[in-house]
Amino acid sequence: NAGVMQNPRHLVRRRGQEARLRCSPMKGHSHVYWYRQLPEEGLKFMVYLQKENIIDESGMPKERFSAEFPKEGPSILRIQQVVRGDSAAYFCASSDGRLAGAPGSYNEQFFGPGTRLTVL
Amino acid sequence: AQKITQTQPGMFVQEKEAVTLDCTYDTSDPSYGLFWYKQPSSGEMIFLIYQGSYDQQNATEGRYSLNFQKARKSANLVISASQLGDSAMYFCATHNFNKFYFGSGTKLNVKP
Repeated sequence: NAGVMQNPRHLVRRRGQEARLRCSPMKGHSHVYWYRQLPEEGLKFMVYLQKENIIDESGMPKERFSAEFPKEGPSILRIQQVVRGDSAAYFCASSDGRLAGAPGSYNEQFFGPGTRLTVL
Repeated sequence: AQKITQTQPGMFVQEKEAVTLDCTYDTSDPSYGLFWYKQPSSGEMIFLIYQGSYDQQNATEGRYSLNFQKARKSANLVISASQLGDSAMYFCATHNFNKFYFGSGTKLNVKP
């Protein structure tokens, strides 16, 4: 029963290149969340997707960043024309959408190991 | 909006002693949850413990317990009998149904 998988684990890009980060959710999970962790900081929410739909992208930068979760295959976080400030760890989490922890209900999320992006 | 504050950037504790990591939160939701995650140097996020706002008792999971003081809006993590393997970053978090809000973390070093 594999957990959330992310690849690559480490990615090095030069300024101006594109970065594509992949996330395969846990089996049976159709909800995916992306978070970014800048150095010395906590994780910050970026986007929440269900299959073929973006539900909440309130944490996504307005430019250069996009995310998708197709019907088949992994979720992709795409960063175009990377800059040094994009260097961070990017975490993916998945859930099956069921509520947990009632009455403080939330979608229980399982985190992947992260992709560490370095922009030279 | 939810906000988590962790005021201790770094902490030291002697092996086998207990340590408390501070967390205060701000939320306007009447019902919410507090979480603690551990992030070792390898980078993965490991779920430790959860406390619901309406839970009558403080949550415990093995050596981890959560000192939840609702009126003070604090949710401190207590680690008893510290072990060398507890050395890591620790993050407090709350949620807004579909997303988590994390604090800036506390780096714990356990000394032998």
